[in-house]
Amino acid sequence: TQLLEQSPQFLSIQEGENLTVYCNSSSVFSSLQWYRQEPGEGPVLLVTVVTGGEVKKLKRLTFQFGDARKDSSLHITAAQPGDTGLYLCALNSGNTPLVFGKGTRLSVIA
Amino acid sequence: NAGVTQTPKFQVLKTGQSMTLQCAQDMNHEYMSWYRQDPGMGLRLIHYSVGAGITDQGEVPNGYNVSRSTTEDFPLRLLSAAPSQTSVYFCASSYSVRGWAGYTFGSGTRLTVV
Repeated sequence: TQLLEQSPQFLSIQEGENLTVYCNSSSVFSSLQWYRQEPGEGPVLLVTVVTGGEVKKLKRLTFQFGDARKDSSLHITAAQPGDTGLYLCALNSGNTPLVFGKGTRLSVIA
Repeated sequence: NAGVTQTPKFQVLKTGQSMTLQCAQDMNHEYMSWYRQDPGMGLRLIHYSVGAGITDQGEVPNGYNVSRSTTEDFPLRLLSAAPSQTSVYFCASSYSVRGWAGYTFGSGTRLTVV
């Protein structure tokens, strides 16, 4: 069974601060996705990364895929209260359903 | 465009009762799945389907049944509810099991078993 670890589990920061959350796997995977889940809603896809070393930017969010394809990070610049939510990473290792991490719960305080 | 629709949004059951959680999608997705989400446990896969007439078990299938008679619908049945099944249930769909375009999730069903 492939393990997917996310850290930190919880993060509380002030508006305007920068932050990075991490997603690490016990083995190589073919692609990785990041989702954001707001209270009372289902997760919503933010980005898919497929190439080792790949960097993708989505406004103030920067996603990086590790060179060895075993880890990924999400960096948020100048966090805003609207960034509050549960950030989930999910990996694909073949023709099987996505495996989700337990998530990082982010709270941005105004 | 509705996406993935789950009903009901909230449900309270007594131990031993049965019920069906409904999930429908209007995107012509072949892949559909059910997850449960519990505090500190993340999203855990219950059952999934790669097309009409095809279903398979996920990580936590015990106590749940599914069937897929149409592309659009993928209901989840609890045969005899137990307090351990208290959770938030999410249905997700995608063009393929690998989810290259991402999974589309419903807004969830919050189930309490007393």
